[in-house]
Amino acid sequence: KQEVTQIPAALSVPEGENLVLNCSFTDSAIYNLQWFRQDPGKGLTSLLLIQSSQREQTSGRLNASLDKSSGRSTLYIAASQPGDSATYLCAVRPNFNKFYFGSGTKLNVKP
Amino acid sequence: EAGVAQSPRYKIIEKRQSVAFWCNPISGHATLYWYQQILGQGPKLLIQFQNNGVVDDSQLPKDRFSAERLKGVDSTLKIQPAKLEDSAVYLCASSQSPTGGTRYGYTFGSGTRLTVV
Repeated sequence: KQEVTQIPAALSVPEGENLVLNCSFTDSAIYNLQWFRQDPGKGLTSLLLIQSSQREQTSGRLNASLDKSSGRSTLYIAASQPGDSATYLCAVRPNFNKFYFGSGTKLNVKP
Repeated sequence: EAGVAQSPRYKIIEKRQSVAFWCNPISGHATLYWYQQILGQGPKLLIQFQNNGVVDDSQLPKDRFSAERLKGVDSTLKIQPAKLEDSAVYLCASSQSPTGGTRYGYTFGSGTRLTVV
């Protein structure tokens, strides 16, 4: 069974800092990996989707990498802002169906 | 486009009572998912529908949980009777196809926060 782990569980940084969130998964046979953002009381907003054949995806200040062989993904956030404060969830999809989610990293960016 | 609609937003019930949640997916999305998110954990899939049919309900506690998707559109998730450990956020998501189909193929609703006391 696929297990997804996210480290750290919580992170507090001053505004402007570059930061890295980590995600690891136990079974490298995945279809794709997706990073989501979740604000308190809200649903999940998709940030980046990486297909199994890709190594990275970029969107604005966000860059996500995938190393399928080692079972790792990182989400890099450049020049962090207070508006980036949220919980970031990593999810892997081993087939066409369900996601397996990590427990998330709760990010707080201090002004 | 309109997002995935869920209601109610919040629900507080006593244990052993029953409760129902409703989800209206994005128009044209054939695949619908119900996820359970316990505080401090990632979402866990309860059930996946493809049109009217169930694709995966392996993690649905079938002795107390049931779900249906009438006419391949709206869906309801029911818990009867509820237990304390059912306290969680119940998220509904939809996509055009099982594989997503677009860069952001999965769209989640805002969820229903259930508290069982």
